[in-house]
Amino acid sequence: SAVISQKPSRDICQRGTSLTIQCQVDSQVTMMFWYRQQPGQSLTLIATANQGSEATYESGFVIDKFPISRPNLTFSTLTVSNMSPEDSSIYLCSVTGVTEAFFGQGTRLTVV
Amino acid sequence: KQEVTQIPAALSVPEGENLVLNCSFTDSAIYNLQWFRQDPGKGLTSLLLIQSSQREQTSGRLNASLDKSSGRSTLYIAASQPGDSATYLCAAIPAYRNQFYFGTGTSLTVIP
Repeated sequence: SAVISQKPSRDICQRGTSLTIQCQVDSQVTMMFWYRQQPGQSLTLIATANQGSEATYESGFVIDKFPISRPNLTFSTLTVSNMSPEDSSIYLCSVTGVTEAFFGQGTRLTVV
Repeated sequence: KQEVTQIPAALSVPEGENLVLNCSFTDSAIYNLQWFRQDPGKGLTSLLLIQSSQREQTSGRLNASLDKSSGRSTLYIAASQPGDSATYLCAAIPAYRNQFYFGTGTSLTVIP
């Protein structure tokens, strides 16, 4: 199993600013995943973060808006840039073990 | 692309009742199927994982089944309790890539 610490757990931000979310895993993992969950919706994959290479973004998500860092095998950050109220969501990081997925506790972002 | 659907979207039952949550997926070439619980504003907690070679898994009052040929999984909750109130998500991981596709979720309310 993997234990994931994600912070902040929640934040209220002004539009036009940026927020960086951190994700720390208690073991080394090759891939880390960032998801967005908009109000009342299911999870949507934003990007896959691999250590030592550029993140792979899903359709509809771009690096300029959601830059990701992956400096080592246990840590990643997701930045939500130039925020607007539409970015208000829960953001979750995830890793997969041999057969299953583990999630951080999520970051609840409200943009005002 | 894998599409995962959950029915019903919302369910309200009296305490003590047995219930079934349904999950359908379009691509039967899945590797694993995982059921999660999400409390309001929080991250995901893994409940049960069914590997492609398995047909069901049990944990306490929970039983999950998997029928790949029909593209369906069910989560059975016995003797429901108010503490079971949460959103339940299923996620399919296809055999061809290391990504989870999440269902739309079922919001469960157990009335005392």
